[in-house]
Amino acid sequence: AQTVTQSQPEMSVQEAETVTLSCTYDTSESDYYLFWYKQPPSRQMILVIRQEAYKQQNATENRFSVNFQKAAKSFSLKISDSQLGDAAMYFCAYRSYSGGGADGLTFGKGTHLIIQP
Amino acid sequence: ETGVTQSPTHLIKTRGQQVTLRCSSQSGHNTVSWYQQALGQGPQFIFQYYREEKNGRGNFPPRFSGLQFPNYSSELNVNALELDDSALYLCASSLEPSGGREETQYFGPGTRLLVL
Repeated sequence: AQTVTQSQPEMSVQEAETVTLSCTYDTSESDYYLFWYKQPPSRQMILVIRQEAYKQQNATENRFSVNFQKAAKSFSLKISDSQLGDAAMYFCAYRSYSGGGADGLTFGKGTHLIIQP
Repeated sequence: ETGVTQSPTHLIKTRGQQVTLRCSSQSGHNTVSWYQQALGQGPQFIFQYYREEKNGRGNFPPRFSGLQFPNYSSELNVNALELDDSALYLCASSLEPSGGREETQYFGPGTRLLVL
């Protein structure tokens, strides 16, 4: 079974600075998808960014980018120019390529990101 | 485009009771997945429905069951409620699974269930 580990329960960053959230995962598969979701106090899980394992290029979405290291099974999220609205729980998630997604997403325990004004 | 909606937003039940949670999928989506998120934890996959058939299940007891309707909305039923069932229940919708092609899951706001 796949596991996802987020070793930072909480991170704090000054507004406008850059912060990196860590995620490692364990799998025996070679093809899979990785995601970062954001969950603000409103509880709704919002997709931040996704990465296909077969793509070597790191995904980027505006101020959000990932550092995907397949051999190390590492998938960190970098948030540049942090804004107050970035404050939330951030979850790293894994999805197997095989099975058409019928085994669902496997989530880490989350990192609570605090933005200091 | 209508997003994923869930009802009710909050619910209080007592141990041993039964509960039904509802989810309406995003327009154009035909797959619904349910997750349980205990306090301070990441969501855990319960099961997935595709075109009214269950096509995947996580490690949850048979007390957790579900349905998907022809309009692709879905229900999660939990029988014989236990205190540990207290959690946020999240529904996510996506397009049909197809040969491993990635289908992003879009989540609803969740239903907070408290079992006393």
